[in-house]
Amino acid sequence: AQTVTQSQPEMSVQEAETVTLSCTYDTSESDYYLFWYKQPPSRQMILVIRQEAYKQQNATENRFSVNFQKAAKSFSLKISDSQLGDAAMYFCAYRGAQGGSEKLVFGKGTKLTVNP
Amino acid sequence: EAQVTQNPRYLITVTGKKLTVTCSQNMNHEYMSWYRQDPGLGLRQIYYSMNVEVTDKGDVPEGYKVSRKEKRNFPLILESPSPNQTSLYFCASSLRWGVLGLNTEAFFGQGTRLTVV
Repeated sequence: AQTVTQSQPEMSVQEAETVTLSCTYDTSESDYYLFWYKQPPSRQMILVIRQEAYKQQNATENRFSVNFQKAAKSFSLKISDSQLGDAAMYFCAYRGAQGGSEKLVFGKGTKLTVNP
Repeated sequence: EAQVTQNPRYLITVTGKKLTVTCSQNMNHEYMSWYRQDPGLGLRQIYYSMNVEVTDKGDVPEGYKVSRKEKRNFPLILESPSPNQTSLYFCASSLRWGVLGLNTEAFFGQGTRLTVV
């Protein structure tokens, strides 16, 4: 079964600085998707960025970028120029097709605090 | 506007009183699923559905039921709620996995905070 591990339960960053959140996963599949979701205090799950495993190029979305290392099964999220609104819980998630369930497998989350 | 709508957002109930949390999506997605979120555990899948009349168990299905009579709706039913089902619940929908490059991101509802006393 696939697993997703976020080794940092909490992180903090100064406003305008850069922070990197770690995520590793375990799978035997060759085709899959990886996601980072943000959950602010409102509890809404918001997609931050996605990466297709077959793409070698790292995904970027404005201030958010990933470092996808397929061989190492690593998928870290870098937030540049951190803003107060980035404070939230961040979840790394994996989606494959093994067994037909196609479910999202989530890590336990990293709580990010942004200090002014 | 593309969205997944869950109701209610907050619910306090007593042990054993049957309840239903509704979920509806307007994106014509085949795939729908329910997750529960508990502190320190992330989100875990309860049930999922590949299409109308096709449902299957996720990782934590005990104590829950679902149905998929229409493509847009996927209600979660707790026949006899217990305190260990106190949690934050999310419904999500997406396109089926399969075609590489097709956007398979999951769209989530607003969440339902359930408390069983």
